[in-house]
Amino acid sequence: QVQLVESGGGVVQPGRSLRLSCEVSGFTFSDYGMHWVRQAPGKGLEWVAVISYDGSNKYYADSVKGRFTISRDNSKNTLYLQMDSLRAEDTAVYYCAKVKEIVVVTTIEYWGQGTLVTVSS
Amino acid sequence: QTVVTQEPSLTVSPGGTVTLTCASSTGAVTSGYYPNWFQQKPGQAPRALIYTTSNKHSWTPARFSGSLLGGKAALTLSGVQPEDEADYYCLLYYGDTWVFGGGTKLTVL
Repeated sequence: QVQLVESGGGVVQPGRSLRLSCEVSGFTFSDYGMHWVRQAPGKGLEWVAVISYDGSNKYYADSVKGRFTISRDNSKNTLYLQMDSLRAEDTAVYYCAKVKEIVVVTTIEYWGQGTLVTVSS
Repeated sequence: QTVVTQEPSLTVSPGGTVTLTCASSTGAVTSGYYPNWFQQKPGQAPRALIYTTSNKHSWTPARFSGSLLGGKAALTLSGVQPEDEADYYCLLYYGDTWVFGGGTKLTVL
């Protein structure tokens, strides 16, 4: 079965960096695009970034552009989110999500359980 | 900045029917926005329900259906069950970005 397991969350000071990982299993990772989505405490979902199956295309929300970098290592079945210059408003649960169709990234199918990032001094 | 708008809250009786909508600040929602719908219960990760306007995932109960209605994406629940009480989010595609709606809190009462 498809499994997505995020890790790397924690408490970090404003201005510092953190890297999240999402290790996947149960499907051919190198065939599918992946998204990162976040949810601030008590708030709604916010799309963060997407990466194509081969890593050649990456897109970001304006709120994180220039600070966050999405990447993947298909040999390790792992998706990453490098978060730099963190701000208090980046505090959220971060979810990785798998798209449904090969190549196309318009449909989110499976979600991980999320990892909490808290930005606080 | 693009805004996607959903009803903040709706209430429905068990066995009833309710329609949630999803509007875009850019104009009418079409199939080209590839509307997705998700359900989220307290303390849980979201779960996908509908993709590309009206397609169901293999686990989506038959009582959930998606459509386009009056220039909006719509999610209809027919024969609502108590376990359908949850937050519901739509997601629209804008070429190189995706935007979630603010969510609808559905109460079954």
